[in-house]
Amino acid sequence: GAGVSQSPRYKVAKRGQDVALRCDPISGHVSLFWYQQALGQGPEFLTYFQNEAQLDKSGLPSDRFFAERPEGSVSTLKIQRTQQEDSAVYLCASSTGPLWGTEAFFGQGTRLTVV
Amino acid sequence: GENVEQHPSTLSVQEGDSAVIKCTYSDSASNYFPWYKQELGKGPQLIIDIRSNVGEKKDQRIAVTLNKTAKHFSLHITETQPEDSAVYFCAASGSGANNLFFGTGTRLTVIP
Repeated sequence: GAGVSQSPRYKVAKRGQDVALRCDPISGHVSLFWYQQALGQGPEFLTYFQNEAQLDKSGLPSDRFFAERPEGSVSTLKIQRTQQEDSAVYLCASSTGPLWGTEAFFGQGTRLTVV
Repeated sequence: GENVEQHPSTLSVQEGDSAVIKCTYSDSASNYFPWYKQELGKGPQLIIDIRSNVGEKKDQRIAVTLNKTAKHFSLHITETQPEDSAVYFCAASGSGANNLFFGTGTRLTVIP
């Protein structure tokens, strides 16, 4: 595709439900990042992949959050037993290089609302 | 870790005027400073970036300045147009870092 694609665009989950958010990066992009953006705030780093390797997961807020990129392309962010504080927009970005400094392209995000 | 502060949180300008957004950062090791534009319902889009070995960079109506001693950097938009209306984020990243630290955003409104 022409850009980073995320699905679904919107997700409403009942508290305690598990959710899975998908990111299709730009083809050939080595690096993939997940960010969480609360309403009215800047994005906050969650995790980083270089190909299939998850090199940094220091931003994941709890062990309820899990991300994977098994074949080095599509990535899934999974949130177990969702809580209201998980409500946010989840952004995925990809870039050609392993480090910031090469342009990263963001998807439109998935807006998660936990009720 | 890095802490990025951004001001102002909202900014309204008349079409054709200039807009300036300022950011400060805390980690002197940070050396990459991008600016993103985010329109409603869309992801952030990189509009310009600067590295610590450069003091100023310009791309048409957009310019960014960096003062490493004072640890602040600014975005300048000249001859603003209504389509410049959006939320702008500054960010900072350190050498070898795999993430960016974002400011809290500035909502720019250009009044026709």
